[in-house]
Amino acid sequence: AQSVTQPDIHITVSEGASLELRCNYSYGATPYLFWYVQSPGQGLQLLLKYFSGDTLVQGIKGFEAEFKRSQSSFNLRKPSVHWSDAAEYFCAVGGPNTGNQFYFGTGTSLTVIP
Amino acid sequence: GAVVSQHPSWVICKSGTSVKIECRSLDFQATTMFWYRQFPKQSLMLMATSNEGSKATYEQGVEKDKFLINHASLTLSTLTVTSAHPEDSSFYICSASSVFTGELFFGEGSRLTVL
Repeated sequence: AQSVTQPDIHITVSEGASLELRCNYSYGATPYLFWYVQSPGQGLQLLLKYFSGDTLVQGIKGFEAEFKRSQSSFNLRKPSVHWSDAAEYFCAVGGPNTGNQFYFGTGTSLTVIP
Repeated sequence: GAVVSQHPSWVICKSGTSVKIECRSLDFQATTMFWYRQFPKQSLMLMATSNEGSKATYEQGVEKDKFLINHASLTLSTLTVTSAHPEDSSFYICSASSVFTGELFFGEGSRLTVL
């Protein structure tokens, strides 16, 4: 079955520590890949996206993600987390290979401790 | 970047009334808009796909007579929650797809509380 999976429901990291949020997808052909962030009570903000080309994608707020075709993964990383990064993070897929529909993972809630 | 505006940001209504939420693409034309519903601490659930000038396509389990969607122009889609009940209370988010970039832009969301 086609799906987007975020294995970690909740992650806690210390401020200044590195962060990696996992995302795996299951589609016959590689979809467009996205990471969004949502602060409490807010809409979604795009962090970065991958359509094709360089598999390491740079985004806003110091985030990056790496597409690994062999692992069907698109993990989000940040070298040093700030307290303001505490939020909900959603991986999403879209584009022609998903029938131009967008589907979201279940989300990973990030807590940052001082 | 492209902006999608959603209005109202929050609304409180009495049970049995209808509520309309607007979604506008401010600087691009969106032939397709999407409506999502989000319950607390959960992911976004796609409710329907709204295509300009045609009927919306609803996801399985979403009542089309309850959630009326109209996409009358290339920049505006509306979601009307008819005869709202407390269980309809939720965070509703719209998004619009750019045909040029394939990217999805989100509105700020509308929080509906039905008393």
